[in-house]
Amino acid sequence: SYELTQTSSVSVSPGQTASITCSGDDLAHKYVWWYQQKPGRSPVLVIYQDSRRPSGIPDRISASNSGITATLTISGTQAVDEADYYCQAWDGSTAVFGGGTKLTVL
Amino acid sequence: QVQLQESGPRLVKTSETLPLTCTVSGGSISSDAYYWAWIRQSPGKGLEWIGNIFYNGNTYYNPSLQGRVVISLGTSKKDFSLQLRSVTATDTAVYFCARVARDCYGGSCSYDAFDIWGQGTKVTVSP
Repeated sequence: SYELTQTSSVSVSPGQTASITCSGDDLAHKYVWWYQQKPGRSPVLVIYQDSRRPSGIPDRISASNSGITATLTISGTQAVDEADYYCQAWDGSTAVFGGGTKLTVL
Repeated sequence: QVQLQESGPRLVKTSETLPLTCTVSGGSISSDAYYWAWIRQSPGKGLEWIGNIFYNGNTYYNPSLQGRVVISLGTSKKDFSLQLRSVTATDTAVYFCARVARDCYGGSCSYDAFDIWGQGTKVTVSP
């Protein structure tokens, strides 16, 4: 079965840039979506189709897909960005989520 | 503005069937623009996709749950349901329903984002 692999945790100081990676086979032929989830809350879509931001998502959140690794980048990280982040892709008609990355803003 | 709300029992006994309903407000599930999905999250764990249903009743399930799960449309066109059979403690989780957008271009469509989520409902399986 298809798998997406994420680093379990990332720490960053306020104002610095955080990078969260997601790896999986054949990413060159797949789109990647990214979701932010805060404790006790539902996930929120922050990036769709590799690098597009839904309305309302700040432009300090960006993403890319190199074909080998998808990367979510948060520039000028703020305390409000502390959350779990999940990448997701479709493998045919099956949705696959990465294991999630806990972003801590120190 | 479309909103989703999960409902169902908070406690289910081992070996029984877990039944949940997702009610859609501010919109209809009778549209070919979206799929409707169930996703769960075990305590302290990540997200696990359970399955999708389309407005015409076509369903797609996580292979790891195939055989135990059924997703169906409600008669009101405003809700869809999940039934998970023969539950065990490992099925204890927060269950979310969500809308899945479709990306259609040039007569071809593909899956897009889980763009709207319900608030989730916590279900505990106990002996």
